[in-house]
Amino acid sequence: VMTQSPATLSVSPGEGVTLSCRASQDVTNGVAWYQQKHGRAPRLLIYGVSTRATGIPATFSGNGSATEFALTISSLQTEDFALYYCQQYKMRPTTFGQGTRLEIK
Amino acid sequence: QVQLQESGSGLVKPSQTLSLTCTVSRGAINPAGYSWGWIRQAPGKALEWIGNIDHVGTTYYNPSLRSRVALSVDTFRRQFSLRLTSVTAADTAIYFCARVKWDNWFDSWGHGTHVFVSS
Repeated sequence: VMTQSPATLSVSPGEGVTLSCRASQDVTNGVAWYQQKHGRAPRLLIYGVSTRATGIPATFSGNGSATEFALTISSLQTEDFALYYCQQYKMRPTTFGQGTRLEIK
Repeated sequence: QVQLQESGSGLVKPSQTLSLTCTVSRGAINPAGYSWGWIRQAPGKALEWIGNIDHVGTTYYNPSLRSRVALSVDTFRRQFSLRLTSVTAADTAIYFCARVKWDNWFDSWGHGTHVFVSS
């Protein structure tokens, strides 16, 4: 089980933010992060805990290990306000967190 | 950049079979290191992995759905498909197809298609 916190985060544009994801078991480095806007297709941001996917800006970074993981957005742009999911793929079946919604403060 | 497009029945009656197809364009249907997957998102719920299939037909299913799910692939048509039998209202969701790297993360997604289960 992947648990994301908080469920909603209110942040002002230009600020930095860190989203948390906790695994119920050790998933080593098998974690990815996705961004989803308005029920559209999720977009891969990070895989392998910290590797940015193609085309993802350096303002997005991931870190963590074992059961504690985080996604940091260093300076929020308007387009970054969205829903963010973590995924673990170390254990089968792969599972997603419930998501953290970033909203404009 | 590979593109994926879901198609299929948007309204299914309870106890019947949901059938969806994903068409792959602008990319290979049999790239090394990749497979093809289905994920769904029920209203207000998190993403749920359904299953993966590779270009030779090897499948992996979510145990929670295994008894009702079947994936297939047609490399000639550049398509892969999902069948979910004995549907109930709990199967109402947006269904996404995606490309899967090493059966791990999903690096390209279709736009998703809404499926409603209702009589």
